[in-house]
Amino acid sequence: KQEVTQIPAALSVPEGENLVLNCSFTDSAIYNLQWFRQDPGKGLTSLLLIQSSQREQTSGRLNASLDKSSGRSTLYIAASQPGDSATYLCAVKGGSSNTGKLIFGQGTTLQVKP
Amino acid sequence: DVKVTQSSRYLVKRTGEKVFLECVQDMDHENMFWYRQDPGLGLRLIYFSYDVKMKEKGDIPEGYSVSREKKERFSLILESASTNQTSMYLCASSPPGFTEAFFGQGTRLTVV
Repeated sequence: KQEVTQIPAALSVPEGENLVLNCSFTDSAIYNLQWFRQDPGKGLTSLLLIQSSQREQTSGRLNASLDKSSGRSTLYIAASQPGDSATYLCAVKGGSSNTGKLIFGQGTTLQVKP
Repeated sequence: DVKVTQSSRYLVKRTGEKVFLECVQDMDHENMFWYRQDPGLGLRLIYFSYDVKMKEKGDIPEGYSVSREKKERFSLILESASTNQTSMYLCASSPPGFTEAFFGQGTRLTVV
């Protein structure tokens, strides 16, 4: 059974710092991995999607990497800002390629202090 | 932009009531999902649907049912609401294949 773990559960950094969030999964047979952002009391916003054949994806100050063989992904945030404060969730897609469900980690809650 | 819209942001219902949570997407996606999110437990899949009138159980279907009569709409039904169904409910949609999932803004349901 696929399990997804995110470490650390919470992280507090000063503004301007570069940081890395970690995501690990137990079964390497995934179709893709998606990083989301969730603000308190809100839904999930998709940040980056990495297909299983890809090594990384970039969007602005965000860079996500994927090492399928070792069951790991990282989300790198450059020059962090207070507006980046949120919970970051990773999810892997397994099962059927058409209907495969997402399995989520518990999330990392990030606080960026001004 | 893809839009997934949940009918209510906040709901308060009484124990034993029948509750309907509605979700509509505007991108003609085949797949739709209902999750619930609880502190310490994360997001757990309740039901999903890969086509009109098709549904499959997720990890925690007990106490819930779903309806998908039209492609754009996926309803979650709590047949007889109980206090342990107090939670944040999140709807998502995606096309088939290796594609992104898009989420609604969530419905915070409180059962009293």
